[in-house]
Amino acid sequence: GAVVSQHPSRVICKSGTSVKIECRSLDFQATTMFWYRQFPKQSLMLMATSNEGSKATYEQGVEKDKFLINHASLTLSTLTVTSAHPEDSSFYICSAERGFGQYFGPGTRLTVL
Amino acid sequence: QKEVEQNSGPLSVPEGAIASLNCTYSDRGSQSFFWYRQYSGKSPELIMFIYSNGDKEDGRFTAQLNKASQYVSLLIRDSQPSDSATYLCAVNGEGTNAGKSTFGDGTTLTVKP
Repeated sequence: GAVVSQHPSRVICKSGTSVKIECRSLDFQATTMFWYRQFPKQSLMLMATSNEGSKATYEQGVEKDKFLINHASLTLSTLTVTSAHPEDSSFYICSAERGFGQYFGPGTRLTVL
Repeated sequence: QKEVEQNSGPLSVPEGAIASLNCTYSDRGSQSFFWYRQYSGKSPELIMFIYSNGDKEDGRFTAQLNKASQYVSLLIRDSQPSDSATYLCAVNGEGTNAGKSTFGDGTTLTVKP
């Protein structure tokens, strides 16, 4: 099956710092990637849709200036959490769409102290 | 009303039994339907997709779709303890929303040995 990687898998940072998360499709080209956030015991929350070569489309309530998304190539999308605060601590998951469903990366667990 | 609704569970079945997971959706224009499995602490993985009314079988899994009733289900035959996970139903729209999934909150399944 399709493989999507994410890096880093886990990050702990101090409040106020920025954290960049990379999402790569390893064996296919992904025009569209998605970024989700998931809090413990809760469902996936779509944050934004990342389109190669164009601006990301953010869901209602997601601050685009805080969660910067760049989809510079057909295999790489990045999410930067700027000036992270403890309430941003969560499980961030990317996915790539391949026509027959989404293939998810393994996720990045962010803890902001 | 949520766009995609699932029984929250938890659903508990004995090993070897059939587990039945249900999902209803509100957008009658929805075109494609997916089931994902998510183990605790991990990201979701695609296990089934279905586009047409009727049944689709893949090993021990059967997806059933009834567009008139706006209902999709997943049957797991000969349930195993390794099937214990949260199952997410996802629905894609049409047109510009064809690649974007709306997820239900998930049903947690426990298969008891």
